[in-house]
Formats: sequence, C-alpha cells, structure tokens
Amino acid sequence: QVQLQESGPGLVKPSETLSLTCTVSRGSVRSVSFYWGWIRQAPGKGLEWIGSIYYTGNTSYTSSLKSRVSMSVDTSENQFFLSLSSMTAADTAVYYCARGGVSTGWFYNWGQGILVTVSS
Amino acid sequence: EIVMTQSPATLSVSPGEGATLFCRASQSISTNLAWYQQKPGQVPRLLIYATSTRATGTPARFSGSGSGTEFTLTISSLQSEDFAFYHCQQYNNWPSVTFGGGTKVEIK
Repeated sequence: QVQLQESGPGLVKPSETLSLTCTVSRGSVRSVSFYWGWIRQAPGKGLEWIGSIYYTGNTSYTSSLKSRVSMSVDTSENQFFLSLSSMTAADTAVYYCARGGVSTGWFYNWGQGILVTVSS
Repeated sequence: EIVMTQSPATLSVSPGEGATLFCRASQSISTNLAWYQQKPGQVPRLLIYATSTRATGTPARFSGSGSGTEFTLTISSLQSEDFAFYHCQQYNNWPSVTFGGGTKVEIK
C-alpha cells in the first residue's frame, strides 16, 4: 500500500512563501497511472483542492489560488512539492497530499496531513 | 470552475435512523462524483465513487445516487462510527476537481 508523508514548516509568517514536500513510499511518483494532489482544510471547514501534478510536470491548479501556487515533482527522490506564496491567515489549514488515478478522478490514498499556521 | 454545494451543513440524527445528504453541482458532471468520510482528527477516506460504487470496505448501508447536477448519499441506519463529516467531490474535468463544503452528521 502506497504511503504519503507531508513535511514542512508548521508556522509561516504573513507574506512569506509556504513550501511543502510530499514523500511517497511503497509506490512511485513516476507511475503513468497516477496524479499527485494537494488538498487543504481550514479549521472546521471543508476540503479545498489546491492542485495536482503528473510525473511529467503537467499541472492543474484551482483558479482561486492559481496566481500564488506552484507544484513540482522530483522523480529521483520520489517526492512532489507545493509552493504557496503571499501567505495570509486565511491560508491556515491542514495540508494533505494525495494520490489519484489518471483514469479515475478520486483520491484514494492520502497523507496524514500537516497543520500550517500563518502568524507573525 | 464547477461549484459543489452540500446540504445541510449539519444533520442531527439518532443512532439507527437513516440519513440523506445532498450534493449539488453548478453544472452537469454526469456521474463523476465521489464521497468521502472524515472522522475527527482523521484523514478523509474514500467512501463512494462514480456516484454509486462503494469503495473497498464501505458498508452496504451507504448508498449513492444521482446524475447531472443532483446527488445524494444515503445512510440507511446510522451506526456510532458513522457520525462524521462527509465531503462530495466532482471530477468531471479531472485532473481539475472541486469539493463541496461538507456535511457534519452528528448525534441527535
């Protein structure tokens, strides 16, 4: 069973850029069968899809964050990354990385999530 | 971008009773809809995909229906472990997806 693990800072200052890493084990980010996604959840709120990336580097982002988001993948390290710039308190959330099938569309495997708080 | 609206925001149900959750899409998504269950402090778990197909391990008391813009998740007889947060997700334009705002099912 594939495993995903998020890592990064738990605290970010306003206006700074958040950088998160998702490390994949027992599976390969190079697989042609999967997309790799980032999803967040503000405290007490629903899930918000941030974006997804394919191993080739092809990306898709939600329109509301498109100007601030960047995703990349490192197949040699079996990792993919999220960068979110100009952070504000509204970006405080648990950030999840997840795996979705190319021919499906849902996220079956999720990381445990990492709480990111934006505060000075 | 397709907007997903879930209702109600909170549903109070007694154990053993049934519950129906709703999910509406701002435009037709055919049957490209998934449901997730999330218990407090836990990771979302895929419950149903393709509107009505139960994921591995999903009990038969969970059923999904709908097409186009209107969808429902029905829990036939709530067990204690079913009190949780439920999210719908459309994937009609995969890999671009959107989630609904969620429904909390709480004990009445």
